[in-house]
Amino acid sequence: DAGVTQSPTHLIKTRGQHVTLRCSPISGHKSVSWYQQVLGQGPQFIFQYYEKEERGRGNFPDRFSARQFPNYSSELNVNALLLGDSALYLCASSPEGGTKNEQFFGPGTRLTVL
Amino acid sequence: AQRVTQPEKLLSVFKGAPVELKCNYSYSGSPELFWYVQYSRQRLQLLLRHISRESIKGFTADLNKGETSFHLKKPFAQEEDSAMYYCALLNAGGTSYGKLTFGQGTILTVHP
Repeated sequence: DAGVTQSPTHLIKTRGQHVTLRCSPISGHKSVSWYQQVLGQGPQFIFQYYEKEERGRGNFPDRFSARQFPNYSSELNVNALLLGDSALYLCASSPEGGTKNEQFFGPGTRLTVL
Repeated sequence: AQRVTQPEKLLSVFKGAPVELKCNYSYSGSPELFWYVQYSRQRLQLLLRHISRESIKGFTADLNKGETSFHLKKPFAQEEDSAMYYCALLNAGGTSYGKLTFGQGTILTVHP
C-alpha cells in the first residue's frame, strides 16, 4: 500500500481563484482529515470526514469546504483564494472516525497563492 | 480552548547525550497526547501516544497532569534522531471531534 496519497503535489494560483485538492486514504480507512500547515507552524485542523459525513470542523472560514466520496477519497475546496491561504495542505486517514485510531498523514499539497 | 506549546524551536545536542523535548498543554477534559516526527523529506508520522505507554526508538514520554506536560525524552541521542518533532493533543468531542491540535514543533539536531 502506498499510504495516503494526495494530488497535486504543488499548485500555484492567483488571488480570487478557486482550488480543489484531492486525497486518497489508505485502503480500508473510512475517515479523512484535512490540515493546513503554514511555514514555521504546526498543522492546523480544517475538517474530519467519516463515512461521507462531516464529523469535525476547525476554525476556518466558509470559503473552505470538503466532501468525501463513496470510495472514501476526499476533496478539499477553497474559494476566493487569499495570499494567506498559501500553505502545505495535509490529508490524514484513519480506520475509524474521531478518537479511535492513529491518523496516517499524506505527503501534502503545496499551494502558493500569488 | 485547547492549546499545545513547545517552547523550543531549535534544540541541538551531541550524539550520546540525553535529550528532552518539552511540551505543555491546556485542555479542559481528559487529554490524549501524541508525539509526531517528520524526518527530512518524509511525511509526518506518529512516534508515540501516551495511552500506549510504550517506548519507540528509545523515546519515552510521560503525561504529567499536574504540570500539564508531556515531555519527550531519550537517554542517548543518535544522529538519526535529527528531525522535526510535534506534540499534539486530540479533541474527543464537540464540533472539533477528531481534531489534533499541534504545537509549533521543535527541530532536533544531533551532532556527531
